[in-house]
Amino acid sequence: EAQVTQNPRYLITVTGKKLTVTCSQNMNHEYMSWYRQDPGLGLRQIYYSMNVEVTDKGDVPEGYKVSRKEKRNFPLILESPSPNQTSLYFCASSFSGVNEQFFGPGTRLTVL
Amino acid sequence: GESVGLHLPTLSVQEGDNSIINCAYSNSASDYFIWYKQESGKGPQFIIDIRSNMDKRQGQRVTVLLNKTVKHLSLQIAATQPGDSAVYFCAEGVAGNQFYFGTGTSLTVIP
Repeated sequence: EAQVTQNPRYLITVTGKKLTVTCSQNMNHEYMSWYRQDPGLGLRQIYYSMNVEVTDKGDVPEGYKVSRKEKRNFPLILESPSPNQTSLYFCASSFSGVNEQFFGPGTRLTVL
Repeated sequence: GESVGLHLPTLSVQEGDNSIINCAYSNSASDYFIWYKQESGKGPQFIIDIRSNMDKRQGQRVTVLLNKTVKHLSLQIAATQPGDSAVYFCAEGVAGNQFYFGTGTSLTVIP
């Protein structure tokens, strides 16, 4: 089944404790992106990747890191999480930026 | 950042009626526009897209209209069904890599 998977789906952590949210797609997509969704703000793009080893900042990259060492994986790293990073996070992928993006199920992160 | 907004946060329609959801965008350089549907507890799901060189595109029961003069995008859903109840987002793509989403319109279909 073609899909985007994210892990974990739910995470509660404390300020400053490094964490990684994994994202994997099995559709051989070149483009991958991370978004955060907050009430009243819609989805905001954090980082995106056009291909392996090619990443760039989105609208709200502060406090986040990403890597794209393999085509299928695009992990989101929070080196020192803060409470303002409490949010619902979505990973998405597509063949290119101007094709249909497939979204993962979301990761709900709470930083205490 | 870009400004992509929705005219109404909520919309209620009778089952069988047509729905129209509107969206305004601000960046004249945007070249790709997309509508997504998000059901409770799920990720956004692609509905339909349109490139900036087009004014209209039709899918199954859905039509997207793009008016570049006034920077306005709309989604029309024909014969709205209870399964169409969800939050609908417009998104604006720039150069095929950066995307800006609106805040969403919650559509409720009344049986």
